[in-house]
Amino acid sequence: AQSVAQPEDQVNVAEGNPLTVKCTYSVSGNPYLFWYVQYPNRGLQFLLKYITGDNLVKGSYGFEAEFNKSQTSFHLKKPSALVSDSALYFCAVSDGSSNTGKLIFGQGTTLQVKP
Amino acid sequence: DTAVSQTPKYLVTQMGNDKSIKCEQNLGHDTMYWYKQDSKKFLKIMFSYNNKELIINETVPNRFSPKSPDKAHLNLHINSLELGDSAVYFCASSQGGWGPVYEQYFGPGTRLTVT
Repeated sequence: AQSVAQPEDQVNVAEGNPLTVKCTYSVSGNPYLFWYVQYPNRGLQFLLKYITGDNLVKGSYGFEAEFNKSQTSFHLKKPSALVSDSALYFCAVSDGSSNTGKLIFGQGTTLQVKP
Repeated sequence: DTAVSQTPKYLVTQMGNDKSIKCEQNLGHDTMYWYKQDSKKFLKIMFSYNNKELIINETVPNRFSPKSPDKAHLNLHINSLELGDSAVYFCASSQGGWGPVYEQYFGPGTRLTVT
């Protein structure tokens, strides 16, 4: 069965510092991995995805993520955090052996960037 | 030029009532989804339709019934509402046919409160 774990409920960083939001996954087939961001009282917005190819994926708003197959991880990173990055971040995985597009979401990590 | 829209945004109703939530996307996508986000922000897939055909039907009480009159619309009808149905319901859509590779675009959500 597919599963996603985001081990940190909250990550606190100072503005200008690098940030990392962690995600590990478990799937039976090839993993298709996604990061989404949710601002308060809003729907989720797509940030980036890994389907195949280069392990370092670049996305919106300066975010990137690194796919590590041996560690089954897909951590979200940004070199310099902004206060406006403060939001709820979700990692999600879809099993490549399934053709339904079903996404399993992690429990979410709240990112707090302080000035 | 809203991509994925939902109505209503807020819905307050009493136990036992029947209510519907509507979703429309103008992205030309073939696949639409319903998600439930609980009070702890946990997101779970409920249903998915591809070109009006039901392709994902998770373990959801049969009081919940999705209907897709065409590929741009996916509605959610809930019978005999219970307190535990209180949540935020998100509609989403993705392009292409079946498959896990496409990112999903989310609506703004409908906050359902059952009293």
